[in-house]
Amino acid sequence: DTGVSQNPRHKITKRGQNVTFRCDPISEHNRLYWYRQTLGQGPEFLTYFQNEAQLEKSRLLSDRFSAERPKGSFSTLEIQRTEQGDSAMYLCASSSTAIQETQYFGPGTRLLVL
Amino acid sequence: AQSVTQPDIHITVSEGASLELRCNYSYGATPYLFWYVQSPGQGLQLLLKYFSGDTLVQGIKGFEAEFKRSQSSFNLRKPSVHWSDAAEYFCAVGPAPYNTDKLIFGTGTRLQVFP
Repeated sequence: DTGVSQNPRHKITKRGQNVTFRCDPISEHNRLYWYRQTLGQGPEFLTYFQNEAQLEKSRLLSDRFSAERPKGSFSTLEIQRTEQGDSAMYLCASSSTAIQETQYFGPGTRLLVL
Repeated sequence: AQSVTQPDIHITVSEGASLELRCNYSYGATPYLFWYVQSPGQGLQLLLKYFSGDTLVQGIKGFEAEFKRSQSSFNLRKPSVHWSDAAEYFCAVGPAPYNTDKLIFGTGTRLQVFP
């Protein structure tokens, strides 16, 4: 068990550019979550998948954001036309659907939009 | 709506002193409660969780937390703090029993430890 991994760990981009982040969950976990954390705040839920199905999206997830999990394994989060307000830490977590499931978090991708 | 309040933004303690971090939640049913710790620039590590049963739960690194329904609280404690405990601590609540689809986090408490 290597835990949840995220790539890249850091991303600096210019306003208006598109960025894509990847998350690889713990292998036996079928649920995958994306959260966003800004400075001085706790993580805020963005969206989650069960297998390849996207089951819930937060209103924080504007139409510039899209997430996929095409084969029910890794997931990507894309931000189009980035804005300075998108600067944040993007955290991925995974869990199983067993009773008393726990979400395990990856190290995060820190995005800075200049 | 569900919410989590961590009243203390920043706490400073001396190494070896006891610690209590406060967490209050607002939730209409029996909550699932969690404490996570985050070191600078890192993701979140689970310290402990409460789902049901004994209201005093033990976690990793010598931490424990007590669920008090009457006070809607889930405070984190440690009898003797180590310098390596300096980090940010987040309390979180799950939305429903057997269904932690999304966690709602507090704003965190930053712990500073002096030698």
